[in-house]
Order: sequence, then structure tokens, then C-alpha cells
Amino acid sequence: ENVLTQSPGTLSLSPGERATLSCRASQNVSSTYLAWYQQQPGQAPRLLIYSTSNRATGIPDRFSGSGSGTDFTLTISSLEPEDFAVFYCQQYGSSPATFGQGTKLEIK
Amino acid sequence: QVQLQESGPGLVKPSQTLSLTCSVSGDSISRGNSYWNWVRQYPGKGLEWIGNIYYSGSTYYNPSLKSRITISVDTSKHQFSLRLTSVTAADTAVYYCARLRRSAGAFDTWGQGTMVTVSS
Repeated sequence: ENVLTQSPGTLSLSPGERATLSCRASQNVSSTYLAWYQQQPGQAPRLLIYSTSNRATGIPDRFSGSGSGTDFTLTISSLEPEDFAVFYCQQYGSSPATFGQGTKLEIK
Repeated sequence: QVQLQESGPGLVKPSQTLSLTCSVSGDSISRGNSYWNWVRQYPGKGLEWIGNIYYSGSTYYNPSLKSRITISVDTSKHQFSLRLTSVTAADTAVYYCARLRRSAGAFDTWGQGTMVTVSS
């Protein structure tokens, strides 16, 4: 299976700062099938980005995704208080679908 | 607006079978542009894709669970279901149903999740 490794495990930043989250795959991922999710405590994951760089419905433009091959990035340009959560990358270019282990974005 | 809702027992005894149902509203399982999925999340936060079903009944399972799982669909009831046999404590998790759009390969709609504990 295609193992996704996210870094860093925890990212401590302040509101207004820029966040850069990384997702590295053990095998090439088609850019069509790389997605990012945000999860708040006690809630289901919420789709942020699909097909590497497309924002899901209702997602603010401060969230952006990029990358190709085995290296992908989620960037939050200017953090808002509601952005602090756990973020996961996910691929379904090859079965089984797999998720990264998550990056916790916490308030510094 | 699409909504998914999981239902089923919150406590299952070891070696027994876990059965969950996902009710879909606001979309048609038969439309054919989506796969209908089960995903679980362990208490330590890791997410694991269990498998999915297409409206036609075609299924795709995670090889790590393939011998123990069955996913079925009832389009007339707008539901799909999960059966996981021979459960152990390692199957304790929050179970989510989720819609995956074929064109994007992403889970765009999730149920709220249901906690299932395996314990005697």
C-alpha cells in the first residue's frame, strides 16, 4: 500500500502566521487523487482540498494545496483561530486508500 | 444537502460480529457518480479505510480486513451496511460512513461517526 508520511507531527504557530504542512508518499500518487482534510475535536474530518489543489465547496482561499509525484503540501496563508486542528492527507490513486498519520496545528 | 448517518450497537463482544448501517439523504446511492465507504478512526487518531461499495453492488475492500468484512447496499432504503466478523479489542474505533466522488477520489461527505467498543 502507499504509505503517506506527514510532517511535522505538531506545528505551533500564532494566528496570522503562515502554515506549511507536508505529505510524502512512499509511491507516486496521481495528482487527481490526493486530498487534505481538517478535523476538529469530536468531529468528522472535513474535506479541504481534492485533486491536490482544488478547494472543496465553502473552503476559504487562504487554504491551498500543491505538489506532485510523492511530495505534496498544504498551505494556510494566514491562520485564523478556527484553523487550529488536526490535518490529514489521503490518497486513492491506488487501492487501498490511505491516510497520513496527521499533523496537529496548535496555537503557540 | 447530502447527509449520512451511522447507526448500530456501540458495544460488541469479542469474537462476535459488528454490524453498522449508513442512511443516506439528499443524494441517490443509485446515481453512480460516487462510492459509498466505511472509514474508521482509532482512539489514537489514525484513520483507516475499510472498504466501499458502488450502487451496482461492486465492492472494494482493504486487504488488511478483506477476510472479515462485507459491505452491502440497499438502494430502495437509501442505505449501505458494514459487517465485520470475529472482532477483537483492536477493532475498537469510531466508525464513519463517507461518500467518495469518483472524479476526485476524495471523501467529500462524512457521517458524524459512531463509537464502537469491543469488550466483554
